[in-house]
Amino acid sequence: GAGVSQSPRYKVAKRGQDVALRCDPISGHVSLFWYQQALGQGPEFLTYFQNEAQLDKSGLPSDRFFAERPEGSVSTLKIQRTQQEDSAVYLCASSLDWVDRGSYEQYFGPGTRLTVT
Amino acid sequence: AQSVTQLGSHVSVSEGALVLLRCNYSSSVPPYLFWYVQYPNQGLQLLLKYTSAATLVKGINGFEAEFKKSETSFHLTKPSAHMSDAAEYFCAVDPNNNDMRFGAGTRLTVKP
Repeated sequence: GAGVSQSPRYKVAKRGQDVALRCDPISGHVSLFWYQQALGQGPEFLTYFQNEAQLDKSGLPSDRFFAERPEGSVSTLKIQRTQQEDSAVYLCASSLDWVDRGSYEQYFGPGTRLTVT
Repeated sequence: AQSVTQLGSHVSVSEGALVLLRCNYSSSVPPYLFWYVQYPNQGLQLLLKYTSAATLVKGINGFEAEFKKSETSFHLTKPSAHMSDAAEYFCAVDPNNNDMRFGAGTRLTVKP
């Protein structure tokens, strides 16, 4: 497809379970971002990759959160031992190389809604 | 540190009326500024962006925004609201590339 895709779209996990959320960026996009959007809030930055390198993970809320992008394309956000406060929509976005500021834009996927019960 | 403040979590207008959604930012460097729209159960869609070119930026669906450095504002406007404009709108600032920070959002309701 032409856009950013995410799977699954909905995930229900019991507290303590591990989950893995997948993001397929737009082909050729160098940068990939993960955001967490709590109900009624704006997206909050979690982490950023440039190709396979994770350049910024300052937004990850705890060491239970882990993201990877081993081949510089698909990315997985993993949450270990899920807690109720992890319930949110997890958004993925991708962008071309940032060199051309004039055309810079992040393209967002539809998100994965995680509910921890 | 950069941040965004959206004044008014809910805005309600009548169909055909002016839409004004407010956004103020703080940034230590000249920023990129964005407005995104989010429809229910969908991702964010870019409406428009300011990248240090013209201060009045025109976007999709008849929206525009004006960058005012002296007021540190980037308010979103549309002359005539349509029912299909009902959605959540997010202002965002990105001063350094790849460091985007979003406001809390404004929910726009359009009354017939």
